[in-house]
Amino acid sequence: ETGVTQTPRHLVMGMTNKKSLKCEQHLGHNAMYWYKQSAKKPLELMFVYSLEERVENNSVPSRFSPECPNSSHLFLHLHTLQPEDSALYLCASSQSETGGSGANVLTFGAGSRLTVL
Amino acid sequence: GQNIDQPTEMTATEGAIVQINCTYQTSGFNGLFWYQQHAGEAPTFLSYNVLDGLEEKGRFSSFLSRSKGYSYLLLKELQMKDSASYLCAVTDSNYQLIWGAGTKLIIKP
Repeated sequence: ETGVTQTPRHLVMGMTNKKSLKCEQHLGHNAMYWYKQSAKKPLELMFVYSLEERVENNSVPSRFSPECPNSSHLFLHLHTLQPEDSALYLCASSQSETGGSGANVLTFGAGSRLTVL
Repeated sequence: GQNIDQPTEMTATEGAIVQINCTYQTSGFNGLFWYQQHAGEAPTFLSYNVLDGLEEKGRFSSFLSRSKGYSYLLLKELQMKDSASYLCAVTDSNYQLIWGAGTKLIIKP
């Protein structure tokens, strides 16, 4: 399997549940990202990992907890979420953490659609 | 603050040409990206501009004017499969990506 794979594709959870989103990349990239995509809003960067070290956390609430056990896998652990957290969560990877430069195009997964009841 | 503006939605006819505009105000500039995102799918890279001018890639072209803070994506010979959202993103002076909210393009027969 190639590219960036995210599981599950759809998730419905209550506010008291604990769940995890998984992302796996088979591109040999060194940087991985979590983005939140809400309808008609720009992509919001949540977390950036470079070589398994977290390099950026854009003031994300502590109910979102990332984990990067190796350069190919990224998790987003979810607990006591709020209904406003319902969104599409996109994982992406790039050759290095300077993912914005022309040499480091982002490759995205198809996303995990999260609904919080 | 940093801002990217693009139209929310556009409609065009199969076989025609459409131009999707993007204007930006950012702290510095290190390049502009266009991504395509079909409903329920991953965004995919379309183009990158860092110098002024037109970059052509098949039916798609992207233009940049840094002095005007302006870019457009030009789609020719539209096909039904071009129905998608088109995301504009700018790299600022810290190499952080600033994203627009996307333009939903609807193609009609």
